Amino acid sequence: QSVLTQPPSVSGAPGQRVTISCTGSGSNIGAGYDLHWYQQLPGTAPKLLIYGNSNRPSGVPDRFSGSKSGTSASLAISGLQAEDEADYYCQSYDSSLSGSVFGTGTKVTVL
Amino acid sequence: QVQLQESGPGLVKPSQTLSLTCTVSGGSISSGGYYWSWIRQHPGKGLEWIGHIYYSGTAYYNPSLKSRVTISVDTSKSQFSLKLTSVTAADTAVYYCARGMTPFDYWGQGTLVTVSS
Repeated sequence: QSVLTQPPSVSGAPGQRVTISCTGSGSNIGAGYDLHWYQQLPGTAPKLLIYGNSNRPSGVPDRFSGSKSGTSASLAISGLQAEDEADYYCQSYDSSLSGSVFGTGTKVTVL
Repeated sequence: QVQLQESGPGLVKPSQTLSLTCTVSGGSISSGGYYWSWIRQHPGKGLEWIGHIYYSGTAYYNPSLKSRVTISVDTSKSQFSLKLTSVTAADTAVYYCARGMTPFDYWGQGTLVTVSS
């Protein structure tokens, strides 16, 4: 089954910048479909963080930014804060599924 | 503000059918051109798309679950539902309903369904 690959974990000190990669294939990111990011705080439902590769929904701090190139995408968190400690998932449409595919998830730890 | 709320049994016996309903409030399920989705998360694991449906009833399913899944919609009640047949312990998960097919902009709080005798 198609899946988007993310690093299991990233960490950084408060105030630092961290990035999370998301690697797909020719049936999803590489096919030109938009990439979206979600933040899941412990015990809660995922929340849309970035949509359309680089757009932030209302209320999402501009510390969060997204980009996409080829079959990969990345999420950057600058000025890392304790409240950013969460799991992050990328997601895209996959033509082989005629539906969505999620990333494997990355746990961000604030040191 | 759109809100989604899952409801249904939290415990299902093996080989039986898991049935969940998602109630949408704060917006019409049949307006806006949105699809409505079911997503699940196994304990301590990542997210898995189960399927999505349009208000007209057109549905798409994850091929890995397609033989066991049915998603339906009741626009008069502003609800859409999930049925998963022949469940096993591997279907134990938190089940989320969400608006959209990509991206998912509104989510329910999720409901834990445990498959156990």
